[in-house]
Parts: sequence; structure tokens; C-alpha cells
Amino acid sequence: DAMVIQNPRYQVTQFGKPVTLSCSQTLNHNVMYWYQQKSSQAPKLLFHYYDKDFNNEADTPDNFQSRRPNTSFCFLDIRSPGLGDAAMYLCATSRDLTAISRDSFGSGTRLTVV
Amino acid sequence: QQQVKQSPQSLIVQKGGIPIINCAYENTAFDYFPWYQQFPGKGPALLIAIRPDVSEKKEGRFTISFNKSAKQFSLHIMDSQPGDSATYFCAASRSSNTGKLIFGQGTTLQVKP
Repeated sequence: DAMVIQNPRYQVTQFGKPVTLSCSQTLNHNVMYWYQQKSSQAPKLLFHYYDKDFNNEADTPDNFQSRRPNTSFCFLDIRSPGLGDAAMYLCATSRDLTAISRDSFGSGTRLTVV
Repeated sequence: QQQVKQSPQSLIVQKGGIPIINCAYENTAFDYFPWYQQFPGKGPALLIAIRPDVSEKKEGRFTISFNKSAKQFSLHIMDSQPGDSATYFCAASRSSNTGKLIFGQGTTLQVKP
């Protein structure tokens, strides 16, 4: 019973063509995170939403945007994907920012840029 | 200050062995230390986590040892199995901050039959 669902599992996009990745959760968690994970590297936090409040990491490129229309859904928009943006994109949720059992990750979307 | 250093980068053990993965941190404000297990093509899954008020925590075959004074913590996998072959990430965060997880670099574990 997947609780954090990411779609699609695999996405191929053209260089420079906008792409949107989606994440949904059935946990009713307040916080939703987006991570970028490149091959053989640790996940890197891009930004997170605490409820409707958006928090961007200082080193996240402007090319990456996010939307959270409601509690259950969160989207990652890459406005002009470059070859360097090819990675696994992971969505995670947390009940709140101090929860002990936290950060339930989805299975990820592997993005290929051609 | 924000880094978490993880070692070794890769590890090979025989079935039944006890792989040990180590992590060290600098920021004494960190108060939550989870370990994640990640299989190829999957997202990380929370394996076990510890708070700095305890020195050891066991869940099944997985044990975290925590040394607050040395600012180090480690994962031990008892009676390792081929199915434990995966990449393991340690992490750290501050509850009073945004809750941002700082990940170690990861350890790829291979358990040979």
C-alpha cells in the first residue's frame, strides 16, 4: 500500500522542454519535500512545503519550481531541463518538521533528458 | 558544520557477517539520526533512527550505536543476508530547524551468499 506515490516512474523529456513530475500522499502529512538524487550520490533537498508555505533551498536553481495545490498533491516543474538535470527525483513527506518517524519517500521518478 | 561524513563508500561481506557503517557529524545541534536503506530504482526507506539521549538502539538485525561525545554513530547489521545488499545512507537533522535531513554520502553494501 504505497502511501507516497510518484508519477510517472520514468520520464523522458527533450532538452529545454518543460516537464512536470507529480507526487501524491495518503498520509495527510503537512510537509512535502522534493529531492534530487544523481547516480551514486545522496539525495539533495531542493525545497519543501510546510502546508502552503514554500521553502526553497538556497542552492536550488531557479529552473526548478514547485506547486502544492492541496495537502495531497505536490508537483515539481522543471522549466528548461538541461542534460545535468537528469536524475532520480524523490518526493518525501513528514507529519511535521519535528516528527520522529518522518520522511516517507516515494519510489521516485527517473528523469532522462535527451 | 552541516556535513555528515559516511564511511566506507563500499563494503563487501559474506553472508552471516556483520557489516559496520560509520558516520560522523560536526553540528552538535543535530538531534535526530536516521539510517535509510535504498535498493536500485527505489526511494530510500527509513530503517532505524536514534535520538542522542540513548547510546544504542536495536530493531531486529539492525543496531545503531551512538557516541555523543565523539559525534559519531554507526549501523551494524547482524547476520547479514544477500537481501541486505543495498545502499545505506545515514542522515542527521535538527528538530528545531526546518527539519532538513543532511545525508551522508552513502555506502554500497554487497552481501555474498
